[in-house]
Amino acid sequence: QSALTQPASVSGSPGQSITISCTGTSSDVGGYNYVSWYQQHPGKAPKLIIYEVSNRPSGVSNRFSGSKSGNTASLTISGLQAEDEADYYCNSYRSGSTLVFGGGTKLTVL
Amino acid sequence: EVQLVESGGGLVKPGGSLRLSCAASGFTFGDYSMNWVRQAPGKGLEWVSSISSSSSYIYYADSLKGRFTISRDNAKNSLYLQMNSLRAEDTAVYSCARDRCSGYSCYSPNAWGQGTLVTVSS
Repeated sequence: QSALTQPASVSGSPGQSITISCTGTSSDVGGYNYVSWYQQHPGKAPKLIIYEVSNRPSGVSNRFSGSKSGNTASLTISGLQAEDEADYYCNSYRSGSTLVFGGGTKLTVL
Repeated sequence: EVQLVESGGGLVKPGGSLRLSCAASGFTFGDYSMNWVRQAPGKGLEWVSSISSSSSYIYYADSLKGRFTISRDNAKNSLYLQMNSLRAEDTAVYSCARDRCSGYSCYSPNAWGQGTLVTVSS
């Protein structure tokens, strides 16, 4: 059960925008609109920041946005802030009613 | 406030068994699908298993190959994970996570416990 593919790391300066990609297959990312994104700070539980490709839960900053094209989903964080430095994981429904996570991306705010 | 508290982790020898529990509060437990997710030290998140609100639908990661069993007791607001034939590669923090939607599965857990550490070593 292979994980979704994310870049290991991305970085950006405060105020800039960054995008994290999440590549799967037609059996997961490309086939369903059940892509979620999570933010995880060290030692903390993951926090849901995007669900169903592009929807933000109540209370999540509108600086976070999600999209999908084909088998690749993307998370964009605009107006980078120091507090955004964290690990980010994508997650998708996969045919057979299973879930699959990406390998995670470490965001460094320079 | 939604709370999920895991317990039952610890040190176990290869080939051994362990049963994890997750106590839920702050929401109507029986209305939500639940998941187990694990994270090996310094590694990423890995989905382990899910169970529907009434236990009618149960799913596992292929990599587990029948060694783990998920269950729930809605009367006790509790989720369980029975782990057998444990291997060194099962060493991880195991967290329970509640699905976002009430009444149906929407495949986006939005409430997580802090996890319980399982260490498999001789």
